Amino acid sequence: ETGVTQTPRHLVMGMTNKKSLKCEQHLGHNAMYWYKQSAKKPLELMFVYNFKEQTENNSVPSRFSPECPNSSHLFLHLHTLQPEDSALYLCASSRDPTDTQYFGPGTRLTVL
Amino acid sequence: RKEVEQDPGPFNVPEGATVAFNCTYSNSASQSFFWYRQDCRKEPKLLMSVYSSGNEDGRFTAQLNRASQYISLLIRDSKLSDSATYLCVVDDYNQGGKLIFGQGTELSVKP
Repeated sequence: ETGVTQTPRHLVMGMTNKKSLKCEQHLGHNAMYWYKQSAKKPLELMFVYNFKEQTENNSVPSRFSPECPNSSHLFLHLHTLQPEDSALYLCASSRDPTDTQYFGPGTRLTVL
Repeated sequence: RKEVEQDPGPFNVPEGATVAFNCTYSNSASQSFFWYRQDCRKEPKLLMSVYSSGNEDGRFTAQLNRASQYISLLIRDSKLSDSATYLCVVDDYNQGGKLIFGQGTELSVKP
């Protein structure tokens, strides 16, 4: 399935690096999301964008910076991360915020 | 009370068993309900939406009880391939407009 794609699929970075995660959806959806999932833990909603506007920031540290240039693309810019930020970062999209969400395959991030 | 709460699991069942998962939600105004499935180290995928009248898809049956704010998922004739984590999902109607995911219930089907 290629409805929601994420790159890179795997990322290893040092604590001083700056990197970006990219998400693209080909479903014509208006809402996009970033989630964090640590090992054996539930999904944690990080950010919600609806029609390119951020509608939710779930108390996420400023070392995570989202960007939504249009309804099809979503980025998560990372800088000065901590080892505890190592997790699976999932992007999702939906027609509207209460509709079915479709997830990308995720980026597995390791912070050394 | 958690917004969406599921059976803690894990559930370990033999092939062919029937297993039921329960989920409760706190927002009585919620309108959208779903069950998602997440395989190990993969992304969640929609299993089925849950309708007021209840709905069935093959071996899977979902029920909604609005009065009790309760959702269930029944899996009949379990297969090895059903092993996964099952996520209950509810919208937070009137509180920002987004879906709330439960913590998931892990199912392991053994031969």
